[in-house]
Amino acid sequence: DGGITQSPKYLFRKEGQNVTLSCEQNLNHDAMYWYRQDPGQGLRLIYYSQIVNDFQKGDIAEGYSVSREKKESFPLTVTSAQKNPTAFYLCASSIEGERGYTFGSGTRLTVV
Amino acid sequence: AQSVAQPEDQVNVAEGNPLTVKCTYSVSGNPYLFWYVQYPNRGLQFLLKYITGDNLVKGSYGFEAEFNKSQTSFHLKKPSALVSDSALYFCAVRGPGAGSYQLTFGKGTKLSVIP
Repeated sequence: DGGITQSPKYLFRKEGQNVTLSCEQNLNHDAMYWYRQDPGQGLRLIYYSQIVNDFQKGDIAEGYSVSREKKESFPLTVTSAQKNPTAFYLCASSIEGERGYTFGSGTRLTVV
Repeated sequence: AQSVAQPEDQVNVAEGNPLTVKCTYSVSGNPYLFWYVQYPNRGLQFLLKYITGDNLVKGSYGFEAEFNKSQTSFHLKKPSALVSDSALYFCAVRGPGAGSYQLTFGKGTKLSVIP
């Protein structure tokens, strides 16, 4: 079955470390997205990509970086510049037109 | 620019009673509208969508939504709530046309169904 896989499910980061969250899809979707979810704040867009080797900043890109070297993969790096990284991170993908998004199951990142 | 408003942060309903989760939107042209549900520590799951046609859309788990163009609303409804419906619900909108990819999400409404 096609879908989106996020890994790991739980991730712990020490202060000052960079960590990378994985997102892989086998849906042949062109566009991929990263969202951050905090309690009571809904979904906030970090980065998105509509095509390989191209991506755009979302509303809260500071302290994050991404790459899109393959259509199937859109990893997110949380850098040490992100001052408050503890959150639930969701990856999604979509194609043009009338379909919605398909979401991964999320990664919960905690700073220790 | 497109936007979505979910005016209620939380909705409480007794089991067996009908439920409504409200959503209003703003978009240029005819909208594509979606409802998603999120259970704790999980991704969002698709419930239903409105693209065109009948204003009453039926989706998963007995949910339905009514598109009202004049009121720019897309409220989610269920005739008889279950405790297992307790979750976070998101409304989303996308504009029409070629090259249209992005959804804009509301802030979410927490639904609590009380036994």
